Amino acid sequence: TQLLEQSPQFLSIQEGENLTVYCNSSSVFSSLQWYRQEPGEGPVLLVTVVTGGEVKKLKRLTFQFGDARKDSSLHITAAQPGDTGLYLCAGASEAAGNKLTFGGGTRVLVKP
Amino acid sequence: EPEVTQTPSHQVTQMGQEVILRCVPISNHLYFYWYRQILGQKVEFLVSFYNNEISEKSEIFDDQFSVERPDGSNFTLKIRSTKLEDSAMYFCASSRDSGLQAFFGQGTRLTVV
Repeated sequence: TQLLEQSPQFLSIQEGENLTVYCNSSSVFSSLQWYRQEPGEGPVLLVTVVTGGEVKKLKRLTFQFGDARKDSSLHITAAQPGDTGLYLCAGASEAAGNKLTFGGGTRVLVKP
Repeated sequence: EPEVTQTPSHQVTQMGQEVILRCVPISNHLYFYWYRQILGQKVEFLVSFYNNEISEKSEIFDDQFSVERPDGSNFTLKIRSTKLEDSAMYFCASSRDSGLQAFFGQGTRLTVV
């Protein structure tokens, strides 16, 4: 059974600060996706990373896939209140039929 | 922008009744999925569907559940004889490539009473 552990579970910071969310596993994934989920809504895809060591940037968000494709991180620079939400990582592997295995999520609160 | 749409947004049903949750995936996508999220818990995989057949299912997806793609646009999840523990948000997702870029619908909140 593949597991993805996200840390921290909750993060509260002031506007303008930076934050990093981590997603770790003992399993290798062929791809890893980051989503953001608002209460009562579906996960919204932010980015997909597929190559070990890959770094993708989406405005103030930087996503990194570990060299061994077992871990990933999301870094937000100069966080704004609009970044408040639940961030989910989800990994897929061919060995597991390419279904997504989700982490437990990191709830981010950015205070003005 | 293309999106996955789900209906209804909220379904309340009596225990033991059958429900059908409906989804319209993104039109050029080939892989379709159902996931569920019990309140306060992780999003869990239920089933994946490709080329008009189930490609993978989880332990949760037992004989109580079935999926169907009755026409070229709809993808349904049927839950027979619902139980209280089936109460959850059910998400449909679709992707063009297996395991990549899965886009999720807004979900159907199923409440079994």
